[in-house]
Amino acid sequence: EDQVTQSPEALRLQEGESSSLNCSYTVSGLRGLFWYRQDPGKGPEFLFTLYSAGEEKEKERLKATLTKKESFLHITAPKPEDSATYLCAVQGMNYGGSQGNLIFGKGTKLSVKP
Amino acid sequence: DVKVTQSSRYLVKRTGEKVFLECVQDMDHENMFWYRQDPGLGLRLIYFSYDVKMKEKGDIPEGYSVSREKKERFSLILESASTNQTSMYLCASRAGQRRLHFGNGTRLTVT
Repeated sequence: EDQVTQSPEALRLQEGESSSLNCSYTVSGLRGLFWYRQDPGKGPEFLFTLYSAGEEKEKERLKATLTKKESFLHITAPKPEDSATYLCAVQGMNYGGSQGNLIFGKGTKLSVKP
Repeated sequence: DVKVTQSSRYLVKRTGEKVFLECVQDMDHENMFWYRQDPGLGLRLIYFSYDVKMKEKGDIPEGYSVSREKKERFSLILESASTNQTSMYLCASRAGQRRLHFGNGTRLTVT
């Protein structure tokens, strides 16, 4: 069965303390792995798409990497405004209707204290 | 910029009422989705649609129905609202298998 597991569930960091969030997945033929950021009371906001093992993408203090079994979201020198829930989702070959749909993890809630 | 608009941010309804949640996208996307999000359970897919008048059940369709009469609009219907349908409802759209674009959500409370 296809699934996505994110860890840790919650992470508290001091401002400037770098760390990583993990997204482990099992899927029948990965077509894409997506990272989203979600602020309280709002819809998820797109961050990155990764398609193949070894791929990396960066945006400001965030860097996403992908292997055949997991993805990491590295946060370098985080600031309080990086506090949010980070969601990971995968698109497999054989999931869902004619266009398929994404399988989401439950998210990691990140808190960055000043 | 891409936009998915949900008609209400907050909604309070009584048990047994028929509830309509509306979603409009301006990107000409063929695929549209309705999710609900609950603490500890994450995002769960209720229904999705890959074309006008086409719909498919997601993981938790019971108690819900949908309507897609026009490409840009996807409605979620709670035929008879119950307290266990109190949740955050998120609409999303996508082109093919590209990234999902989400609306800002509707927080529904059923009393």
